[in-house]
Amino acid sequence: GAGVSQSPRYKVAKRGQDVALRCDPISGHVSLFWYQQALGQGPEFLTYFQNEAQLDKSGLPSDRFFAERPEGSVSTLKIQRTQQEDSAVYLCASRTGTTYEQYFGPGTRLTVT
Amino acid sequence: AQRVTQPEKLLSVFKGAPVELKCNYSYSGSPELFWYVQYSRQRLQLLLRHISRESIKGFTADLNKGETSFHLKKPFAQEEDSAMYYCALKSAGNTPLVFGKGTRLSVIA
Repeated sequence: GAGVSQSPRYKVAKRGQDVALRCDPISGHVSLFWYQQALGQGPEFLTYFQNEAQLDKSGLPSDRFFAERPEGSVSTLKIQRTQQEDSAVYLCASRTGTTYEQYFGPGTRLTVT
Repeated sequence: AQRVTQPEKLLSVFKGAPVELKCNYSYSGSPELFWYVQYSRQRLQLLLRHISRESIKGFTADLNKGETSFHLKKPFAQEEDSAMYYCALKSAGNTPLVFGKGTRLSVIA
């Protein structure tokens, strides 16, 4: 089957614009993670869902960042009033409820000008 | 706090030479350690996990709790091993991965 998909793959936003990034996890995967990867850095945790419940959002850098997964499958990461420091690759990963391996999507590269 | 340190940003080796990518971690409990790899234009993927104690693509990694290290090794590097390698730590339960900054391995023919 298909792996984790993310859209758009690339997004250019002007400072102050709102953006929405989408993640389609592998079908049946209950756990979904969002990570932010700045240039030259490793991925850093943003938030985690188990089904539709957002169990951990401790990594969200500010209240401009919001994530949802209303039906327990597709997830959207929204960034309001984007700033230059939000420029990064946003990675989504999913896994089943019982296994350890996280499967990563290709990422969305966000550039804020 | 959990932390993963990969001291080398770039490691260049000749084809056929041994490779060691260093990883040290900081965690007070019993961690799970992983190595993830990202080949050019591909997504991040799991290479190996310390609990499995297996060799994948000729790579092995041993967890040394005394030295809090999880170095990745391969006796004979191949050109196709050129990639970004990330060491990652996970604590117990439904917790996220904590990644190091990554090491770019370049294998020169």
